[in-house]
Amino acid sequence: EPEVTQTPSHQVTQMGQEVILRCVPISNHLYFYWYRQILGQKVEFLVSFYNNEISEKSEIFDDQFSVERPDGSNFTLKIRSTKLEDSAMYFCAGDGDSPETQYFGPGTRLLVL
Amino acid sequence: GNSVTQMEGPVTLSEEAFLTINCTYTATGYPSLFWYVQYPGEGLQLLLKATKADDKGSNKGFEATYRKETTSFHLEKGSVQVSDSAVYFCATANQAGTALIFGKGTTLSVSS
Repeated sequence: EPEVTQTPSHQVTQMGQEVILRCVPISNHLYFYWYRQILGQKVEFLVSFYNNEISEKSEIFDDQFSVERPDGSNFTLKIRSTKLEDSAMYFCAGDGDSPETQYFGPGTRLLVL
Repeated sequence: GNSVTQMEGPVTLSEEAFLTINCTYTATGYPSLFWYVQYPGEGLQLLLKATKADDKGSNKGFEATYRKETTSFHLEKGSVQVSDSAVYFCATANQAGTALIFGKGTTLSVSS
């Protein structure tokens, strides 16, 4: 059964550094999403991506964040200048039927020091 | 906007015990409601869903009924197994139906 994969599983970075989180969605999916979960808090929607464009973003997704699908398979989330409060688990998701049926990756745990 | 609130964990049970994890929602209209599960080291998986009031979602022995009178979607299982140990997330869709809104998650630990 196809699944969503994410790399790396864990990343530690220094404050102010750029990080790129990678996701490989299921190949026939059309919508792609990033969510994050700060430890002990809710899973929060960051952004959705369709047809090579951002279709929706939350207020969390400010200018420090960007997404792209550079090669038709990978889906990346870039944080330009990380802050301590960016430490979280980041989940990628995709769907093919409807946005209400999303398939999630295992997550990348990001720690900003 | 739409939101869900679920009970704090952790929940610790013995095998074959009855499980309830409470979830209530606040929403405009009647959006779909979901339970997702995350097993250790894995991604979030859709466990069950209900798309309208009075619908019952069920899967793997788990059930939840969409109750608009009490704005609830409580997750139940009659007899839990050690393999059910995981984090359970209640969720709904945002008003546009384009993203999911999750609760904080409830950790379930089942011992033999």
